[in-house]
Amino acid sequence: KNQVEQSPQSLIILEGKNCTLQCNYTVSPFSNLRWYKQDTGRGPVSLTIMTFSENTKSNGRYTATLDADTKQSSLHITASQLSDSASYICVVSSNDYKLSFGAGTTVTVRA
Amino acid sequence: EAQVTQNPRYLITVTGKKLTVTCSQNMNHEYMSWYRQDPGLGLRQIYYSMNVEVTDKGDVPEGYKVSRKEKRNFPLILESPSPNQTSLYFCASSFSTVYNEQFFGPGTRLTVL
Repeated sequence: KNQVEQSPQSLIILEGKNCTLQCNYTVSPFSNLRWYKQDTGRGPVSLTIMTFSENTKSNGRYTATLDADTKQSSLHITASQLSDSASYICVVSSNDYKLSFGAGTTVTVRA
Repeated sequence: EAQVTQNPRYLITVTGKKLTVTCSQNMNHEYMSWYRQDPGLGLRQIYYSMNVEVTDKGDVPEGYKVSRKEKRNFPLILESPSPNQTSLYFCASSFSTVYNEQFFGPGTRLTVL
């Protein structure tokens, strides 16, 4: 069964600090991996999408990495801001239409 | 403005009373999908549609129906809602390419008493 596991489940960081979220998956065959940001009570918003040939992709202060050999991805948040407080969801696609979702990591940024 | 809209945003109903949650997108996307989100379980796919008149089951289709008569609309139908269908529901859409970004609606919070 295709699975996506994220860690940690939640974390608290101080404003201005960096943090890294992890995503391990067993989805096969692999098509692409996405990171979404979901603010409380709102729909997820795409941060990055990577195929197997891409190992790093950035979107502002967000940098995602992908190691397709070990089936691991990370999302690094640089110089965190209060607006980064949200749930971050890792999603892996095995084809155009079947998506496997992680349970998410809840990030709380404190002043 | 490019967007996915859902209605209603909030709904409280009783067991067995049929309901429909509408979803509409204005981006001419072929692919549309419904998800439910429950605490600790993340997003789970209910149904998806690759184009008009083409629908398929996701991971948790039991108790739900969908239809895709027009490209822009993808309603979710609960013929006989039960309390275990109390959840936060999201509709999403995208173009039919491998490298496709999904756009999510604002969500519908459903409570079945």
